[in-house]
Amino acid sequence: AQSVTQLDSQVPVFEEAPVELRCNYSSSVSVYLFWYVQYPNQGLQLLLKYLSGSTLVKGINGFEAEFNKSQTSFHLRKPSVHISDTAEYFCAVSPSNTGKLIFGQGTTLQVKP
Amino acid sequence: GAGVSQSPSNKVTEKGKDVELRCDPISGHTALYWYRQSLGQGLEFLIYFQGNSAPDKSGLPSDRFSAERTGGSVSTLTIQRTQQEDSAVYLCASSLGGSLLYEQYFGPGTRLTVT
Repeated sequence: AQSVTQLDSQVPVFEEAPVELRCNYSSSVSVYLFWYVQYPNQGLQLLLKYLSGSTLVKGINGFEAEFNKSQTSFHLRKPSVHISDTAEYFCAVSPSNTGKLIFGQGTTLQVKP
Repeated sequence: GAGVSQSPSNKVTEKGKDVELRCDPISGHTALYWYRQSLGQGLEFLIYFQGNSAPDKSGLPSDRFSAERTGGSVSTLTIQRTQQEDSAVYLCASSLGGSLLYEQYFGPGTRLTVT
């Protein structure tokens, strides 16, 4: 069965610093990977997704992620964070092309002034 | 346009009671998903409906959980004989189609508390 591991439950970082949120997956078949964000008191929102093609995926709000098949990783990065990026971030994998998502445990990004 | 709506936003129930949670997807979206977000288990897939196909129920945790989707639109998640471990936020999402090409739009969730 496919699974997702987010290695850090919390990531504190200062404003304007770079950040990387780590995600590793396990899968023996085709991989479809996603990052979602949940801002405080708001619903989940898609940041970016990898279905095929270029391994570097750009998303909304300046985020990007790189699919690394050899390391089974899909880490999320942003070169300079803002206070408004404070949120919970979820990595997810889909075991098929149906849209059913398997989520990681989530990483809380806390941006400090 | 209107997004995915869920009702009620909060539900407190006594252990052993049945509850129904409602999801109104975005108009025209043929795919509908239910997920559960709890402190101990994170975000879990529960069930998926796509058009007239048989639903994927592989994530339902027990036979106390069931869901239906009437007329290809509104969906109801029913939990019978609720237990304290059912306390969680239940999220609904919909998408234009069942393929991963289509983004899932999530509702605000229903927070269920079982006392």
